[in-house]
Amino acid sequence: AQSVTQLGSHVSVSEGALVLLRCNYSSSVPPYLFWYVQYPNQGLQLLLKYTTGATLVKGINGFEAEFKKSETSFHLTKPSAHMSDAAEYFCAVRGFRAAGNKLTFGGGTRVLVKP
Amino acid sequence: KAGVTQTPRYLIKTRGQQVTLSCSPISGHRSVSWYQQTPGQGLQFLFEYFSETQRNKGNFPGRFSGRQFSNSRSEMNVSTLELGDSALYLCASTLEGGGGREQFFGPGTRLTVL
Repeated sequence: AQSVTQLGSHVSVSEGALVLLRCNYSSSVPPYLFWYVQYPNQGLQLLLKYTTGATLVKGINGFEAEFKKSETSFHLTKPSAHMSDAAEYFCAVRGFRAAGNKLTFGGGTRVLVKP
Repeated sequence: KAGVTQTPRYLIKTRGQQVTLSCSPISGHRSVSWYQQTPGQGLQFLFEYFSETQRNKGNFPGRFSGRQFSNSRSEMNVSTLELGDSALYLCASTLEGGGGREQFFGPGTRLTVL
């Protein structure tokens, strides 16, 4: 079974500072990888995804993530945090050969941005 | 294009009752998945329906069930509600084709069981 681990349930950053959210997955075959964001009282919105090809993936709102097979990681970064980045972020995987669309999520990381 | 809609947005029930939640996917999307989100357990997959058939099922008791209609709209039902069923229930729809296909999420239904 696949699993996803997000290191740190809460992260606090200053406005303008680097945002780094860590995600590691466990799978014998590299899966499809996703980062979602959830704002209060809302559903999840896709930030970016890795399928195949280029390992550095750019997403919306200035976020990007790098797939590292050797480290089974897919960390999310943003060079300069903005107050609007305060939200909860989820890393998710879907099996490469899986039938259907089931996603397995990490525990989430809540980001606080300090002025 | 309208997004995924879920009704109702908020629901309060008492233990032992049953509840039905509804999800309308994005037009053209035939796959609908349901997730439960709680502070303690996080986001957990309930089940997925595709073309009116359950394609995947998570590890939840039989009190949780679902169905999908010919227009791809889906409902999930929880019978004999327990306090632990209080959660945000999220529905997501997907356009089939390709491994990197995205799931589009609705705003959720927040269920409170008293």
